[in-house]
Amino acid sequence: GQQLNQSPQSMFIQEGEDVSMNCTSSSIFNTWLWYKQDPGEGPVLLIALYKAGELTSNGRLTAQFGITRKDSFLNISASIPSDVGIYFCAGQSTGNQFYFGTGTSLTVIP
Amino acid sequence: DAGVIQSPRHEVTEMGQEVTLRCKPISGHNSLFWYRQTMMRGLELLIYFNNNVPIDDSGMPEDRFSAKMPNASFSTLKIQPSEPRDSAVYFCASSFPGAGELFFGEGSRLTVL
Repeated sequence: GQQLNQSPQSMFIQEGEDVSMNCTSSSIFNTWLWYKQDPGEGPVLLIALYKAGELTSNGRLTAQFGITRKDSFLNISASIPSDVGIYFCAGQSTGNQFYFGTGTSLTVIP
Repeated sequence: DAGVIQSPRHEVTEMGQEVTLRCKPISGHNSLFWYRQTMMRGLELLIYFNNNVPIDDSGMPEDRFSAKMPNASFSTLKIQPSEPRDSAVYFCASSFPGAGELFFGEGSRLTVL
């Protein structure tokens, strides 16, 4: 199945720093989703984006749906230790299929 | 509202045994997805159902894998016979078509010895 190109693969940052990660695809998507996965748990939906150009925030998280509909980014401001985890992007095609990025592993150093 | 419920959370079995994983989607959601997650391959879609009907099973690895959805509130993923390379975390997820949001269960961690 199709996979999205997600970068960076991993990040090590100091507490309080801002974080940015992105996803790109060769295909157009109708919806972009961002998830966080903690060890031993399922992915939890953080933000959903529905329109090209849309910018949406959820607390310290901000995500944007790229104008070309082939990319999206997620920013986390003022990181805290509980932000540690793996972040996944996902795109939904017109066929109701969801395709996932390879994940960004985030480590926050107190 | 309860989320997607999966069972068992952990399963350890011996090669050759039959494994059955179960999933209850969120009430009202009529699309259900089975994913497999490994370190090497990430999240792989195995199969998805719309209104209890399998729509795309191209991700099912081989004939040893089968999935059913006998009604809107229950699905199973069966592996028979199991092999060590089937060891992974299996996730069930559900959505309402057109809503654009996919919700995951907590997963079933399978270890085949």
